[in-house]
Amino acid sequence: SQTIHQWPATLVQPVGSPLSLECTVEGTSNPNLYWYRQAAGRGLQLLFYSVGIGQISSEVPQNLSASRPQDRQFILSSKKLLLSDSGFYLCAWSLGLTSGRSNEQFFGPGTRLTVL
Amino acid sequence: AQSVAQPEDQVNVAEGNPLTVKCTYSVSGNPYLFWYVQYPNRGLQFLLKYITGDNLVKGSYGFEAEFNKSQTSFHLKKPSALVSDSALYFCAVSSHNNAGNMLTFGGGTRLMVKP
Repeated sequence: SQTIHQWPATLVQPVGSPLSLECTVEGTSNPNLYWYRQAAGRGLQLLFYSVGIGQISSEVPQNLSASRPQDRQFILSSKKLLLSDSGFYLCAWSLGLTSGRSNEQFFGPGTRLTVL
Repeated sequence: AQSVAQPEDQVNVAEGNPLTVKCTYSVSGNPYLFWYVQYPNRGLQFLLKYITGDNLVKGSYGFEAEFNKSQTSFHLKKPSALVSDSALYFCAVSSHNNAGNMLTFGGGTRLMVKP
């Protein structure tokens, strides 16, 4: 079966510090991968998605970036955090394009980021 | 462009009563529709989906949803609510024209089930 991991679970960082959040998926190959941010326990904002290694699409311009160095690894980064970067970050995966249809996304447990 | 509306920020239900969480959507082409549930400080859990076929879809934990094409709705229902159903619920839509398999989520509805 497939599993998705995120770490760390919680993180407190000062303004201006760098960020690296990691997401890995097990039990599937060539998944689509997604980074979301959830503010104030409500709506989800899609930040980045990836359909393959090295292929990153950004949905919202900001000081965050994403990378996919391996098939099942997705990393969210920042060089300098802002207060507004605080939130709950969720990674998700879904079956890729070869499935021929739209499929549900499966979410990781999330990372709670607090920028002080 | 695709969009989802969840018109209620919060739904209050007494335990044992039926519950409905509303969702309407807008999409080009045939829709794929999903419901997710989120418990505090957790990721989203998939509940059910509509791809094609029967308009009534059954999912996890006794939930079901009815696809209504003419009303562009996909309301989540359960015949008898449990206190443990209290959580945040998200409706999402995609279409087969969506090459990235991206989902568009509604703003979420908080379900409160009182004993």
